[in-house]
Amino acid sequence: GQNIDQPTEMTATEGAIVQINCTYQTSGFNGLFWYQQHAGEAPTFLSYNVLDGLEEKGRFSSFLSRSKGYSYLLLKELQMKDSASYLCAHYNQGGKLIFGQGTELSVKP
Amino acid sequence: DGGITQSPKYLFRKEGQNVTLSCEQNLNHDAMYWYRQDPGQGLRLIYYSQIVNDFQKGDIAEGYSVSREKKESFPLTVTSAQKNPTAFYLCASQSGGDNEQFFGPGTRLTVL
Repeated sequence: GQNIDQPTEMTATEGAIVQINCTYQTSGFNGLFWYQQHAGEAPTFLSYNVLDGLEEKGRFSSFLSRSKGYSYLLLKELQMKDSASYLCAHYNQGGKLIFGQGTELSVKP
Repeated sequence: DGGITQSPKYLFRKEGQNVTLSCEQNLNHDAMYWYRQDPGQGLRLIYYSQIVNDFQKGDIAEGYSVSREKKESFPLTVTSAQKNPTAFYLCASQSGGDNEQFFGPGTRLTVL
């Protein structure tokens, strides 16, 4: 089967660091994505991990552990504009992109 | 500018009517996808097409139909058979040699 889980919502303070976790189960793995989606808009690509480890891209970093079926997105120096939904997704063995429900992040002053 | 467009942004329809959502891309991508998003939920795959004149059902295809007569276009028809059509519909495209999907701005469909 294919399951992908992430917390429904999180709250953090401007300037702080927040980690959004994602766990998945799949019979075939072909990379894990993180997308950012502001309300009423299209998802925009943040990161893609296919190998274990941490990949850093400015204020955003993404980590993957394939043996644990686990990924996280790390957001540093939070800004108000980072308030959005963060979607975790992975390709299944059939080549379809499977999305988690999204984590709604609220950044407070 | 290359990109993927959807129209209209907001669409209202009466119960029992069919409606077609437009999706166009000029990225020269082979694959195109339609997703549905409900409040507080992730994206669910309706239909996808990996090449012109071919398409496959996704996880929630019932009540929907598509066509792929041109590489650039992948319209989605929401038929009267779809029980709960009110949702945010997202179209995406992908190059054959790439893993990333690019999304259009979405169409919010409301059935009155």
